[in-house]
Amino acid sequence: QVQLVESGGGVVQPGRSLRLSCAASGFTLSTYGIHWVRQAPGKGLEWVATRSSDGSDEYYADSVKGRFTLSRDNSKNTLYLHMTFLRTDDTAVYYCARELASWDANQYFDSWGQGTLVIVSS
Amino acid sequence: QMTQSPSSLSAYEGDRVTITCRASQSIATYLNWYQQKPGKAPRLLMFAASTLQSGVPSRFSGRGSGTDFTLTISNLQPEDIATYYCQQSYDTWTFGQGTKVEI
Repeated sequence: QVQLVESGGGVVQPGRSLRLSCAASGFTLSTYGIHWVRQAPGKGLEWVATRSSDGSDEYYADSVKGRFTLSRDNSKNTLYLHMTFLRTDDTAVYYCARELASWDANQYFDSWGQGTLVIVSS
Repeated sequence: QMTQSPSSLSAYEGDRVTITCRASQSIATYLNWYQQKPGKAPRLLMFAASTLQSGVPSRFSGRGSGTDFTLTISNLQPEDIATYYCQQSYDTWTFGQGTKVEI
């Protein structure tokens, strides 16, 4: 059974750092692209970052570029989102999601975690 | 840029409901739809504009290509109360602002 579990959220002051984890079970995380998507309170979904399955490509939303980075621990089947220089507008529920691709290379997110809440506040 | 309309709608049980998603440039059929219920993670409904994800009821259907897409719920059910998002995967990944469906 495919499952993604996020952890690491909490309350952090502006300018500080936080690391989120996305632990996978039921599949090998390193063979799939994994994305982070966030949702500010009462707002819509915003794509944040992704690392390709082979680890050769990383993409970041403009809003987090230069502040957020990704890393992966294959032995733990876990992807990490390292968030630095946090701002109040980074406050959101952060979801990780698994990417699949259809025959025409359309990429979609078939499995999602339950999310972890990050609150950036002084 | 993905623009959904309407931002919210109210319909009766059994109604046919259509949500529109417009892309700012052609995205072929690189368009997916998700359903999100309050307090829950999003759920994939449809990918490649019109392919129903396994396990999703057949009352959900999708159409479109290029810049204009629709998600239709025929025979609206109480469990369909949710916010629906379109997402393009043509150029990185962008979501529409969401459409809240109420009964």
